Amino acid sequence: DIQMTQSPASLSASLEEIVTITCQASQDIGNWLAWYQQKPGKSPQLLIYGATSLADGVPSRFSGSRSGTQYSLKISRLQVEDIGIYYCQQASSAPNTFGAGTKLELK
Amino acid sequence: EVKLVESGGGLVQPGRSLKLSCAASGFSFNDYWMGWVRQAPGKGLEWIGEINQDSSTINYTPSLKDKFTISRDNAQNTLYLQMSKLGSEDTAIYYCARGGGFFDYWGQGVMVTVSS
Repeated sequence: DIQMTQSPASLSASLEEIVTITCQASQDIGNWLAWYQQKPGKSPQLLIYGATSLADGVPSRFSGSRSGTQYSLKISRLQVEDIGIYYCQQASSAPNTFGAGTKLELK
Repeated sequence: EVKLVESGGGLVQPGRSLKLSCAASGFSFNDYWMGWVRQAPGKGLEWIGEINQDSSTINYTPSLKDKFTISRDNAQNTLYLQMSKLGSEDTAIYYCARGGGFFDYWGQGVMVTVSS
């Protein structure tokens, strides 16, 4: 199985701050990487797919990038509504494993 | 509007079976892969598996392959998850989701509690 190592596990940031979350794949997954946001008590929501493509309706302050087998999610100016847990997921080969998650809190 | 509504959850005794359903609407169900994801209380997301449009390809996470069976009924726009030999480790919220690979729509989830 492909392992997805996500960091940090938790993150405290201020409003308007730039936030970056990373995922390291244990092997080449190409652009088969997605990011999800989960708010408390809610279902996950797709943010980014194909490593860099923004899902419908997602604010442009979210962006995804790739460098080899390392993937990053960037929030350019943190807003209150961005608080939650973020997960990466590889979809290169089954099982399509998720990262362990990053809990984003307001400082 | 795309809607996915799970049902069939609840309290079940260890060792018993349970079948979850996911009713889909607002899109052409038989054009999409579908999948299941679960989340134990306070834990992260666990990919269970996925099924293609005509049920000819079904993928599972290896540790659940002998316990869980994914199926679908395109005439009824419904996805299923048959779970057997349930244990306390299977206590979780179960989500159905649309897509193969990436999941672009998710249901609200259904809670399954395994306890005597």
